[in-house]
Amino acid sequence: EVQVEESGGGLVQPGGSLRLSCAASGFTVSNNYMSWVRQAPGKGLEWVSVIYSGGNTYYADSVKGRFTISRDNSKNVLYLEMKSLRAEDTAVYYCAREDFKSGSYSYFDYWGQGTLVTVSS
Amino acid sequence: VLTQSPGTLSLSPGERATLSCRASQRVSASYLAWYQQKPGQAPRPLIYSASSRATGIPDRFSGSGSGTDFTLTISRLEPEDSAVYYCQQYGSSSYTFGQGTKLEIK
Repeated sequence: EVQVEESGGGLVQPGGSLRLSCAASGFTVSNNYMSWVRQAPGKGLEWVSVIYSGGNTYYADSVKGRFTISRDNSKNVLYLEMKSLRAEDTAVYYCAREDFKSGSYSYFDYWGQGTLVTVSS
Repeated sequence: VLTQSPGTLSLSPGERATLSCRASQRVSASYLAWYQQKPGQAPRPLIYSASSRATGIPDRFSGSGSGTDFTLTISRLEPEDSAVYYCQQYGSSSYTFGQGTKLEIK
C-alpha cells in the first residue's frame, strides 16, 4: 500500500529554519516525481517544490533561494529544508507523489496528511 | 493563472453541480486535474487529463474541456460531496492550483 507521512513541522521564529521530512512506503521515492504543496490557514493550495526522478529540482518563486528539496534514497525519504522563514510561510505542508507520463497525464495521486509549520514570534 | 468559478455553490442533494476552471493561457488537457478537499483532510484526486477519473472515483464525477476552459460536473449530488474543489495544471516544471470552489449541500 502506497503511503506518505510528513513530519517535522512546528513553531519557528521569523528568520528561523526548519526541515520537513516525508517518509514513503509502498513505492520508491527516487523513482518518482515528488512535490511539496502547502496550504495557509483557510486558504487554497500552493505548489512549493518538486524533485524529479533524475534529480532536477524546481521551486515556486515565493520560496526560491530559501527552500531546498532533497531526498535520501537509502531511507526512502523526501525532505524540505526551509530557511529565512517568514510569517507568510505559515501553512500545512503536504508531501505528494506525482503520477506522470509525458504527453499523457500529470497529477498528484498520493498525498500525506500534512504537517503544520507556524512562523511567529 | 487558473481562475475557478463560482467561489461558492449551494445545491440540494440529487442536483447537478457544474464547476468551472479558466486558464489565463492555453493549458494542455493532458495536464489538467481536479481534486476534492474536505475539512481537515488532504486533497483527493478526482480527475486527471481533464476527463479521466482517478482510482475509486464514482462515475457521478466527470470532467471536460480544452484550451483554456475546463469543467468538473458532479451529477446526483450527495451530502458527502460537500467540499472544496480545486483544479490544477502542470506546465514547464511548474504547477498551479486554482483558488477553489466551495460546494455546499443544502
